[in-house]
Amino acid sequence: AQKVTQAQTEISVVEKEDVTLDCVYETRDTTYYLFWYKQPPSGELVFLIRRNSFDEQNEISGRYSWNFQKSTSSFNFTITASQVVDSAVYFCALRILTDSWGKLQFGAGTQVVVTP
Amino acid sequence: DAGVIQSPRHEVTEMGQEVTLRCKPISGHDYLFWYRQTMMRGLELLIYFNNNVPIDDSGMPEDRFSAKMPNASFSTLKIQPSEPRDSAVYFCASTRDRDNSIIGTEAFFGQGTRLTVV
Repeated sequence: AQKVTQAQTEISVVEKEDVTLDCVYETRDTTYYLFWYKQPPSGELVFLIRRNSFDEQNEISGRYSWNFQKSTSSFNFTITASQVVDSAVYFCALRILTDSWGKLQFGAGTQVVVTP
Repeated sequence: DAGVIQSPRHEVTEMGQEVTLRCKPISGHDYLFWYRQTMMRGLELLIYFNNNVPIDDSGMPEDRFSAKMPNASFSTLKIQPSEPRDSAVYFCASTRDRDNSIIGTEAFFGQGTRLTVV
């Protein structure tokens, strides 16, 4: 069975600090995709990034960066120089090829609180 | 693009009443998903459709829940009768095939319907 673990329930930082969110996944499949979503206080889920199991290249988008390591089954997310607007719940999710194709398996989420 | 539109945004109802949640997916998307978010269980997939046909409803909690998609631009999730434990935020999401597979496509979520059953 597939599983996504986000062990950090809440992380509090002061503005301009960096924050890293951990995501560990479990699957026996060799083909899968990983996703990160952001849920701001307004409630909607906003897509941030996807990564397929064959692409371990790290990615940077502005202040966001992602570190994918198959050897440790991790897909961690770093916010550099955090801002108050980054305060949200962040979800890591997994979709595998052989499962019901539509099913995104979400982690429990990590609440990020950025204070001025 | 208007995005996924859900209505109502908030719903308060009494136990035993019927509740209907509505969703309009993004035009051109052929997959539609219903998710439920609670503190205890997090985000869980209830059901999803492909080309208006239910593909996997294994996440539907019980017979009190039903979902329909009469056409490509509209879906409903109905709870009858509602119970306090159904209180949650219900999300609708949509996506489309990419190279005959949706495994790598991101789902676009609506703003959710916050349901409170008292």
